[in-house]
Amino acid sequence: QSALTQPASVSGSPGQSITISCTGTSSDVGDYNYVSWYQQYPGKAPKLMIYEVSNRPSGVSNRFSGSKSGNTASLTISGLQAEDEADYYCNSYTSSNTLVFGGGTKLTVL
Amino acid sequence: EVQLVESGGGLVKPGGSLRLSCAASGFTFSNYNMNWVRQAPGKGLERVSSISSSSSYIYYADSVKGRFTISRDNARNSLDLQMNSLRAEDTAVYYCAGGILTDVFAIWGQGTMVTVSS
Repeated sequence: QSALTQPASVSGSPGQSITISCTGTSSDVGDYNYVSWYQQYPGKAPKLMIYEVSNRPSGVSNRFSGSKSGNTASLTISGLQAEDEADYYCNSYTSSNTLVFGGGTKLTVL
Repeated sequence: EVQLVESGGGLVKPGGSLRLSCAASGFTFSNYNMNWVRQAPGKGLERVSSISSSSSYIYYADSVKGRFTISRDNARNSLDLQMNSLRAEDTAVYYCAGGILTDVFAIWGQGTMVTVSS
């Protein structure tokens, strides 16, 4: 199972909105609503931000939202803040009954 | 406080063994599916192994199948990963992660480093 495709890096200025894409295939992202997104600061454990495409766990800011269209899932962060600078990973359930991660995206807040 | 605390990492020679443990507190461990997720230095995340809340379902990534064994003790709120025949490519930070929903990692430990080198 190939990894999901994420841009290596994205950037934005404070207050702006950015979107991180996560592209898979019809055997994973395209066929299941089981996409999650994780935020990871350097040297720290990942944190769940979005699950089942668009659900936010309790305590996660509503500036974070998830969506999906076809084989591509997206994480949108609105009202960008300096504290959002981190690495972001997506993952998806697959038709092989496995879980595949994306390669990760480094978000820089300018 | 909801917490997962890993232990057992360290330096081991290729072909050697190591046993990782994860102690859970602050939540009903027996309701949670548990996982080991690793991250090689400078790389992305990889789910290594999963075990359902009642241990009825166990998963191993192809990269560790036959070498690693996951287990849990709901009475002791603990999760283990026995790692045998270790290889250089197993070098990574190993995270213990859990969630009620399958394949959703809502709680994470701080990670424990495993280095396989001669």
